[in-house]
Amino acid sequence: DAKTTQPNSMESNEEEPVHLPCNHSTISGTDYIHWYRQLPSQGPEYVIHGLTSNVNNRMASLAIAEDRKSSTLILHRATLRDAAVYYCILRDVGDSNYQLIWGAGTKLIIKP
Amino acid sequence: NAGVTQTPKFRILKIGQSMTLQCTQDMNHNYMYWYRQDPGMGLKLIYYSVGAGITDKGEVPNGYNVSRSTTEDFPLRLELAAPSQTSVYFCASKNWDPNQPQHFGDGTRLSIL
Repeated sequence: DAKTTQPNSMESNEEEPVHLPCNHSTISGTDYIHWYRQLPSQGPEYVIHGLTSNVNNRMASLAIAEDRKSSTLILHRATLRDAAVYYCILRDVGDSNYQLIWGAGTKLIIKP
Repeated sequence: NAGVTQTPKFRILKIGQSMTLQCTQDMNHNYMYWYRQDPGMGLKLIYYSVGAGITDKGEVPNGYNVSRSTTEDFPLRLELAAPSQTSVYFCASKNWDPNQPQHFGDGTRLSIL
């Protein structure tokens, strides 16, 4: 079973920031937090990942709580193209097969 | 770059028929994965491979077989199609670098009637 909890869906307005939450209260010290997203009728694509510190890239920012029991994916200025299902996934750094266990994710709806 | 290519994009099978879903990647990735995704659900791992000649079962392997004779190709075989195998199938690949992500194909939508 997935070790993360995410809201089923969220709505946001175009050109506004979006904060997508993820709870992972049973996270271990060796679990990385990964985010992928899946646009309609496409395969998933990588967004960002982190271990302890906050991370930024060209797509998004990842804010990790100090106790690591939750994290937030931040889209700084949502566009219609960001409408997708967003998955928060934990991966043990000791897993040499790099397996990902997927939950149902959060469906992000962007309103024009 | 082509990345991960899956064929066919769509297929309808009759119960009991067999078929092979093709997956090829041109990134020289060691790791390859097959997932299935049912409506409204996350992906479930069927089989994976850590390199040519090596395959292993994932979470839901029953009813499927795989082979990995080359680095590039990782076909998924359904021997006796059943309605429960109606799903969207995704292939993914990844290199050895733990900080690099999995790269996905666009999927094969399979219906079994």
